[in-house]
Amino acid sequence: DAGVTQSPTHLIKTRGQHVTLRCSPISGHKSVSWYQQVLGQGPQFIFQYYEKEERGRGNFPDRFSARQFPNYSSELNVNALLLGDSALYLCASSPGTGVLVTDTQYFGPGTRLTVL
Amino acid sequence: AQSVAQPEDQVNVAEGNPLTVKCTYSVSGNPYLFWYVQYPNRGLQVLLKYITGDNLVKGSYGFEAEFNKSQTSFHLKKPSALVSDSALYFCDVRDDTNAGKSTFGDGTTLTVKP
Repeated sequence: DAGVTQSPTHLIKTRGQHVTLRCSPISGHKSVSWYQQVLGQGPQFIFQYYEKEERGRGNFPDRFSARQFPNYSSELNVNALLLGDSALYLCASSPGTGVLVTDTQYFGPGTRLTVL
Repeated sequence: AQSVAQPEDQVNVAEGNPLTVKCTYSVSGNPYLFWYVQYPNRGLQVLLKYITGDNLVKGSYGFEAEFNKSQTSFHLKKPSALVSDSALYFCDVRDDTNAGKSTFGDGTTLTVKP
């Protein structure tokens, strides 16, 4: 089976623009989470979706939004980009057994966003 | 609130020697703990997880971790390090009072020298 896929691999934007990042989970996985990883730090939780509903949100401004589609793929949108949004954005999928706290997360390779 | 600390930014060991990567945590409810490895330009891969049961958890590639409730620690260990173990390691803690949200440490870079 294919792993988690993310697109694009790299992206360069300028301040004020918006960006859409995409994620396809492992087949059969119903939960998708998004993380921001700034260089030198661990991943920071942004959103979690399960069965197309938001189940959790981290401490990120409203410029960040996400959604999950009926096929369980997901998009992360960031508006009014700031220099500080430059980071590796990781998507993780999990089987979604309903007990999300114990589910193993499977990470994609990430999208490297650079804001100039 | 939950938090996790990896007190060492860098761990250096010689090939064949045992290695330990430290992780301590703080949670309000019951802890659920994971270790991940990240290679350059790659996503995170899970090594092992503690949910409940035996305090010694065995995982992939010969790694193991010991859950210590009294010391609130979950240190990653391997009896004999390989050069190929050189990578960035992250500890992840979840709390059953926080909807399963993950909190990651800032990572520890492990370098194994031949």
